Amino acid sequence: GQNIDQPTEMTATEGAIVQINCTYQTSGFNGLFWYQQHAGEAPTFLSYNVLDGLEEKGRFSSFLSRSKGYSYLLLKELQMKDSASYLCALAGAGSYQLTFGKGTKLSVIP
Amino acid sequence: GAVVSQHPSWVICKSGTSVKIECRSLDFQATTMFWYRQFPKQSLMLMATSNEGSKATYEQGVEKDKFLINHASLTLSTLTVTSAHPEDSSFYICSAPSGRITYEQYFGPGTRLTVT
Repeated sequence: GQNIDQPTEMTATEGAIVQINCTYQTSGFNGLFWYQQHAGEAPTFLSYNVLDGLEEKGRFSSFLSRSKGYSYLLLKELQMKDSASYLCALAGAGSYQLTFGKGTKLSVIP
Repeated sequence: GAVVSQHPSWVICKSGTSVKIECRSLDFQATTMFWYRQFPKQSLMLMATSNEGSKATYEQGVEKDKFLINHASLTLSTLTVTSAHPEDSSFYICSAPSGRITYEQYFGPGTRLTVT
């Protein structure tokens, strides 16, 4: 099975940088995803890591360390619209199935 | 980009009735689709994998006789909640694999089901 842990809630200030961590225990996986989900809406894709290292996409970056079972999502220049839940998810080995963490609710304050 | 639609976007039904939710891939074919359920303030939980032309695969704890899945074509999967109860009230989301090597999925907009 897969066990994924994320902080439940975080608060950060507009314009700042925030790092959302995700730790996991799994026997194997294809890659690690980060999704953003606003309340009452479906998740939207943010980033994907399959190899160790940092993937940068504009204001969002994601890092993966397979040896440490650890990933983080870095959000820069926070905007109020970034207030949402951020879901860490693993794609199972040889499968499209996603296992989601419980999500981190980020609140951006002025 | 690829789009996955769901219909209806929200539905209210009475206890004991059945509700059908449709999931369509609009500009690509999907031999596999996934159905998730999300309760308030919780994460998405995979319910079942819908396979075109064959039976769905259900996750442990999901009643296959209660949540009927039909994947009749390469662009349509349906989830029917039979004999609905208030505890079935939830946000139901479908997704379809992109086919990319990145294993990315495209999510539908979700269906809010309320059982009274």
